[in-house]
Amino acid sequence: TQLLEQSPQFLSIQEGENLTVYCNSSSVFSSLQWYRQEPGEGPVLLVTVVTGGEVKKLKRLTFQFGDARKDSSLHITAAQPGDTGLYLCAGARRNQGGKLIFGQGTELSVKP
Amino acid sequence: NAGVTQTPKFQVLKTGQSMTLQCAQDMNHNSMYWYRQDPGMGLRLIYYSASEGTTDKGEVPNGYNVSRLNKREFSLRLESAAPSQTSVYFCASSGWGGGQPQHFGDGTRLSIL
Repeated sequence: TQLLEQSPQFLSIQEGENLTVYCNSSSVFSSLQWYRQEPGEGPVLLVTVVTGGEVKKLKRLTFQFGDARKDSSLHITAAQPGDTGLYLCAGARRNQGGKLIFGQGTELSVKP
Repeated sequence: NAGVTQTPKFQVLKTGQSMTLQCAQDMNHNSMYWYRQDPGMGLRLIYYSASEGTTDKGEVPNGYNVSRLNKREFSLRLESAAPSQTSVYFCASSGWGGGQPQHFGDGTRLSIL
């Protein structure tokens, strides 16, 4: 059973398009993290959202945590080929120490 | 600053062979983790160590053992490798407490024939 469902799993778009990746759960998380992974490397943290309804921006990337802290989204404006990679959401639950639950990932390809 | 270092980077084993994957971090983190990554499955936690001297099972521990050798090092052992254990293995570390960001190594690509 996947506690965090990411969609879509694959996304291929042209440079300049906008896109949104979703991360959904029926469970409440104390915080949610987004990572980006390039081929042959480990995931690298992009952002952590903690408060329900929180919105964080990182250049052309906008991250939102749902009001009920059960879901999150990542929106990329005017995607660039350098945005290509695997995007992973990961949730932290109370009283679970540092453990994270990862979604399946969204593989994004941005073509020039 | 090396961060998290994993060795080896690649390995091919025959069914039934054993091997140990090594992981070391230089960030003075208390917690360390071993994950496996398979296509379409995201990262699944095999074992973790909340602090030096403790280890606990994660989501998929069967067929694996771990040792937290000291604060820096956390190793993963396959006693009798099976083809189902073909995967990419990642080690990560984090500070103490919930919601801390995890820092990952570059992975070990393991094939079992």
